[in-house]
Amino acid sequence: DIQMTQSPSTLSASLGDRVTITCRASQSISSWLAWYQQKPGKAPNLLIYKASSLKSGVPSRFSGSGSGTEFTLTISSLQPDDFATYYCQQYNSYPWTFGQGTKVEIK
Amino acid sequence: QVQLQESGPGLVKPSETLSLTCTVSGGSISNYYWSWIRQPPGKGLEWLGHIYNSGITNYNPSLKSRVTMSVDTSKNQFSLKVTSVSAADTAVYYCARTNRDGYWGWFDPWGQGTLVTVSS
Repeated sequence: DIQMTQSPSTLSASLGDRVTITCRASQSISSWLAWYQQKPGKAPNLLIYKASSLKSGVPSRFSGSGSGTEFTLTISSLQPDDFATYYCQQYNSYPWTFGQGTKVEIK
Repeated sequence: QVQLQESGPGLVKPSETLSLTCTVSGGSISNYYWSWIRQPPGKGLEWLGHIYNSGITNYNPSLKSRVTMSVDTSKNQFSLKVTSVSAADTAVYYCARTNRDGYWGWFDPWGQGTLVTVSS
């Protein structure tokens, strides 16, 4: 199985901060990576697919980049609605696997 | 827009079979893969497998011998069965549509999730 490792596990940030979350794959996954946001008690919500394609309706402050084994999710200016847990997910090969999550907290 | 809703028992006894159904509304179940994903309390996400409307399946090997998925296109529903459950199967179970842009593999939309507790 491809292991997905996110860093950091927890991130404390203030409103307006630029935030970057890293996701590393244990082997190359090309650009077959998605990012999700999950709030407590809710289902995950797709933000980005194919590493950098923004889902329609997702604010443009979210962006994704990377290919191969290293990927980043960037929030350009943190808003109150962005405090949540973020997961990356590879779909290069079965079984599809998720990172362990990054919790973005209020500083 | 497409909406998904999970249904099934919230409590299952150890060694018995967990059975859940996902009903798709606002769109057809055809021409997509449909996935099951679970999340133990306080933990991360695990993809269990998916099924195409034709019945083609791919299962996660971690549960492959215990998982069966099926689809009922007449009802716009797909289902999950996990046999011989234990406390380790306690989780929120989500159904989701699998999409592609090149490769199949990203999930959107998701159902709201249903908590299944394995306990006697």
